[in-house]
Amino acid sequence: DTEVTQTPKHLVMGMTNKKSLKCEQHMGHRAMYWYKQKAKKPPELMFVYSYEKLSINESVPSRFSPECPNSSLLNLHLHALQPEDSALYLCASSQVGSYEQYFGPGTRLTVT
Amino acid sequence: TQLLEQSPQFLSIQEGENLTVYCNSSSVFSSLQWYRQEPGEGPVLLVTVVTGGEVKKLKRLTFQFGDARKDSSLHITAAQTGDTGLYLCAGKEYNFNKFYFGSGTKLNVKP
Repeated sequence: DTEVTQTPKHLVMGMTNKKSLKCEQHMGHRAMYWYKQKAKKPPELMFVYSYEKLSINESVPSRFSPECPNSSLLNLHLHALQPEDSALYLCASSQVGSYEQYFGPGTRLTVT
Repeated sequence: TQLLEQSPQFLSIQEGENLTVYCNSSSVFSSLQWYRQEPGEGPVLLVTVVTGGEVKKLKRLTFQFGDARKDSSLHITAAQTGDTGLYLCAGKEYNFNKFYFGSGTKLNVKP
């Protein structure tokens, strides 16, 4: 089973809202990732967690706040977003040090 | 900084034709992955190549990793409409859980 699940599938939020994106995997992977993807562009790395600790933050604005409550779950908390933050948000997981990562289906976020 | 460049950016071909997509970098990677992505969905891993010079075949798809581990190619034989999608290469850094994505190749196979 190489499944990564993400909820919700679609999210529309106003600039003053607070919302969260959720990601879950049961493959025993201990590295989890958040990516942002704009239309017709490749995914851009936002955060990496290794063994439930934040190991990479690609200078992401503080209105995005990641959280890894356990080895299977990864959240992305959103607050005071801007319309330009509208994008497909992808979660991925891998074994630490592995050559392969597996992606979830993504959450399509629209900020109005 | 775009570490991985893919070419061509767009490719529109007829069903049955062959094609090759290239992924090039000046950096050395520990491995290189190829993904296919459909609109609004997450990338799906097709293959991982690890050893310089390695060639892997997946049905009509042939993947090659350059000897110097800086470049890769994806060759599709007798393309089908189901091959349509965005093809992405991604290179993994040594010693870090970090993957760099190429700029992508949008393939359209016409019936």
